[in-house]
Amino acid sequence: QSALTQPASVSGSPGQSITISCTGTSSDVGGYNYVSWYQQHPGKAPKLMIYDVSNRPSGVSNRFSGSKSGNTASLTISGLQAEDEADYYCGSYTSSNTVVFGGGTKLTVL
Amino acid sequence: QVQLVQSGAEVKKPGASVKVSCKASGYTFTTYGINWVRQAPGQGLEWMGWISTYNGNTNYAQRLQGRVTMTTDTSTSTAYMDLRSLRSDDTAVYYCARGRMRYFDGSTDVWGKGTTVTVSS
Repeated sequence: QSALTQPASVSGSPGQSITISCTGTSSDVGGYNYVSWYQQHPGKAPKLMIYDVSNRPSGVSNRFSGSKSGNTASLTISGLQAEDEADYYCGSYTSSNTVVFGGGTKLTVL
Repeated sequence: QVQLVQSGAEVKKPGASVKVSCKASGYTFTTYGINWVRQAPGQGLEWMGWISTYNGNTNYAQRLQGRVTMTTDTSTSTAYMDLRSLRSDDTAVYYCARGRMRYFDGSTDVWGKGTTVTVSS
C-alpha cells in the first residue's frame, strides 16, 4: 500500500487560510469516508483534528475543516495562528482493512 | 480523564525482541480498539496494526506480518505490542492510539505519549 500524497510544506501568514491536500486512490481515500487528519508538534504525539472526512472532535477549533472530492481529501485552516505551525498528516482506511498515512506536511506560519 | 500510558524507552540489539505496553484508563477498555503507530526519526507516521479489545481480533500491516504480535490483558486494561527480529530500521517512537469505534475504521482519537525503541549493536 503506497503512502497517500501530501505536499511537503505549505505556508501562510497569520489570519490567512491554507489548504493541505491528501491524494490517494479509489482503494482508500476515494472509496471510503474514513479520512482523518492529525496535527503533530515537535516531540509530541499526534492529535486528531478531523475524522470521517469532515467531522471535528470536541475541543478542536472550528477554524479547522475537512472535505473530500474523488480520491483527494483536503484540510483547510482558516484564520491562521502561530500555534497552528506543526506537521499535519492525513490517514485513510483502505480496502485491505488497514490504514495508510500521508507523508506529512510541514505548515509554517510566516 | 481518558489516557494511555506507555512503557519506558528501550534499547535493543539487532535480532532481539521488544514488548511495549499501553495501559488505558478513564474509559471502559473493551469498548474501543487499540492501534499501534510508529514514527522513525525525522520520518512520517506508519500504521502497524489494530487489535480489538473486545474479542482479540487483529489487523496487521502487511510489511510487519510475521514479526509483530498485538495482545491485550482486559483484567489490567493494557495492550501490548511485541516486535521480533529487530533491525536498525525499527528504531522509532512507537505510539498506541485508541480507535474511535469498537470496530475497525482506521480512525483514532486518544494517543499515548510514545515509547522510544532504539535498535543498535
